[in-house]
Amino acid sequence: GGIITQTPKFLIGQEGQKLTLKCQQNFNHDTMYWYRQDSGKGLRLIYYSITENDLQKGDLSEGYDASREKKSSFSLTVTSAQKNEMAVFLCASSMRVTNERLFFGHGTKLSVL
Amino acid sequence: QQQVRQSPQSLTVWEGGTTVLTCSYEDSTFNYFPWYQQFPGEGPALLISILSVSDKKEDGRFTTFFNKREKKLSLHIIDSQPGDSATYFCAGSPPQQGTGSKLSFGKGAKLTVSP
Repeated sequence: GGIITQTPKFLIGQEGQKLTLKCQQNFNHDTMYWYRQDSGKGLRLIYYSITENDLQKGDLSEGYDASREKKSSFSLTVTSAQKNEMAVFLCASSMRVTNERLFFGHGTKLSVL
Repeated sequence: QQQVRQSPQSLTVWEGGTTVLTCSYEDSTFNYFPWYQQFPGEGPALLISILSVSDKKEDGRFTTFFNKREKKLSLHIIDSQPGDSATYFCAGSPPQQGTGSKLSFGKGAKLTVSP
């Protein structure tokens, strides 16, 4: 078995601040994802990466940067936090094959004051 | 545009009853439909999945049905238990060629099973 570790678990930021979320996986999976979960809106894909140093934009990439410097880690940066923003950011990983199961971390809960 | 629509958004079922969650999708190229279960404070976890070549898949108390003509799928939970109380997401994706799963998720359905 493996695990996905997201840090921090809770993140409080100020409006306009640049904030970075980190994700580590020990599944040895090729593909990693960042999703945003808002109450009542489901999961929306921000960025994904099919291998080290690869980045692919999802449906919600504006306002975010991502980095995949190692196979096991994937970080997400909120480039300018929006006032009163509140969401959970979920990291996931999967093998690099069709229709493969996603394994999710427990999430980072972001609150912007 | 919402690619996958779920209903209801929330429901309450008595313990021992049958839960039915439904989804519809827009993209006719979708061929893979997983259901994810999420407990509070945790990430979603795969519950069951079905490919478009099948119309039914069963795993214990959980069964998913797929109707290609109507572009609909459903999740049935028989003998629902309080431990099934969670949020359920349906999702769909088109065939991918070694690029990972680019799933479109529904908004989720919050299930409460009352004892």
